[in-house]
Amino acid sequence: NAGVTQTPKFRVLKTGQSMTLLCAQDMNHEYMYWYRQDPGMGLRLIHYSVGEGTTAKGEVPDGYNVSRLKKQNFLLGLESAAPSQTSVYFCASSPNTGYEQYFGPGTRLTVT
Amino acid sequence: DAKTTQPTSMDCAEGRAANLPCNHSTISGNEYVYWYRQIHSQGPQYIIHGLKNNETNEMASLIITEDRKSSTLILPHATLRDTAVYYCIVASGNTPLVFGKGTRLSVIA
Repeated sequence: NAGVTQTPKFRVLKTGQSMTLLCAQDMNHEYMYWYRQDPGMGLRLIHYSVGEGTTAKGEVPDGYNVSRLKKQNFLLGLESAAPSQTSVYFCASSPNTGYEQYFGPGTRLTVT
Repeated sequence: DAKTTQPTSMDCAEGRAANLPCNHSTISGNEYVYWYRQIHSQGPQYIIHGLKNNETNEMASLIITEDRKSSTLILPHATLRDTAVYYCIVASGNTPLVFGKGTRLSVIA
């Protein structure tokens, strides 16, 4: 099993550009999450999904959109990137809320 | 707002037990205590969780006080590879986990 994978690993965007981050899991987990982590900070929840076709807002959802069209994939979109969105983005999955979460390796995004 | 309070940093000698404290005085009856750690630049890793009984697994032990207002994560024989940020989180089964800033543990040779 690959666990949780994230694509891409690194990306540099210019202000105003758009992009989509892909998270994939092969553990048949119901729940998936997107977090961001800024330097010296803990993780902050952006959006999460409790199952295929569902999404919900987390702590810092503004400027992001998500979709869960397939159970194994959770996409995070930035429609118009801003320098404040420079961060490391982690995806995670779990069989249920609060259960052990499995994290991906992260995507380092820089917006100039 | 974080529901837990942890020291910002701690040191531990290699081979000794590392005891990481966490205060969660407002914990509710249906909330669990979870511990994760994050080794530099990697995604967080689940360690252990518990409700009110002490728990042990191959990585660590979790000691929860009887009033459940605090807990301690114990790494019995710390190694250099245990150097990481350790997060204590309280959550019920119906809410996503909220990560605070954690404790930066440095294991020293």
